[in-house]
Amino acid sequence: DAGITQSPRHKVTETGTPVTLRCHQTENHRYMYWYRQDPGHGLRLIHYSYGVKDTDKGEVSDGYSVSRSKTEDFLLTLESATSSQTSVYFCAISPDRGPQPQHFGDGTRLSIL
Amino acid sequence: LAKTTQPISMDSYEGQEVNITCSHNNIATNDYITWYQQFPSQGPRFIIQGYKTKVTNEVASLFIPADRKSSTLSLPRVSLSDTAVYYCLVVLTGANNLFFGTGTRLTVIP
Repeated sequence: DAGITQSPRHKVTETGTPVTLRCHQTENHRYMYWYRQDPGHGLRLIHYSYGVKDTDKGEVSDGYSVSRSKTEDFLLTLESATSSQTSVYFCAISPDRGPQPQHFGDGTRLSIL
Repeated sequence: LAKTTQPISMDSYEGQEVNITCSHNNIATNDYITWYQQFPSQGPRFIIQGYKTKVTNEVASLFIPADRKSSTLSLPRVSLSDTAVYYCLVVLTGANNLFFGTGTRLTVIP
């Protein structure tokens, strides 16, 4: 597998608390993505990054922010978590955009009570 | 905006060919269609990719008709280990325009 590590793998927290998920890669890929996966919706893009400090919104970005201060790390932050953000979150990487297969991490299961 | 639609589930017997179709309107000539496989508690894994006609690799084929309003993933002779959820992904111009289908749960029966 491509070198992608997501942390934590599981987290339970309460509504209103801030949450940060981390994605770390060892492949030196330019593009990094955050998705959420929910039953009946498949995978939906939250945010992506195309370089250090370069990020853009995806389909479901409301309530989420991201940061990329180093090539290898892409952070997803829920400033004030809500129960609707309970989901499985996946990070993915690719060398470039467009027709480049993405390699996914194994996901973070986040439960917001 | 382009959206993708897939059947929710399919069953197949071992050794049979399985075809999973993804519908995707409003995609441009150079937009790619990519298929992924996902097992429980794992991230999706790349299977195959193409943007026109037919592509074949060691595990699957991808058929894209001339109107490009759909694509079909073909798994030639499925085994029990092919039981998984299969997703199509359409990559539109601009990386933020990525649309995964809702996934097709394939169950292979002995």
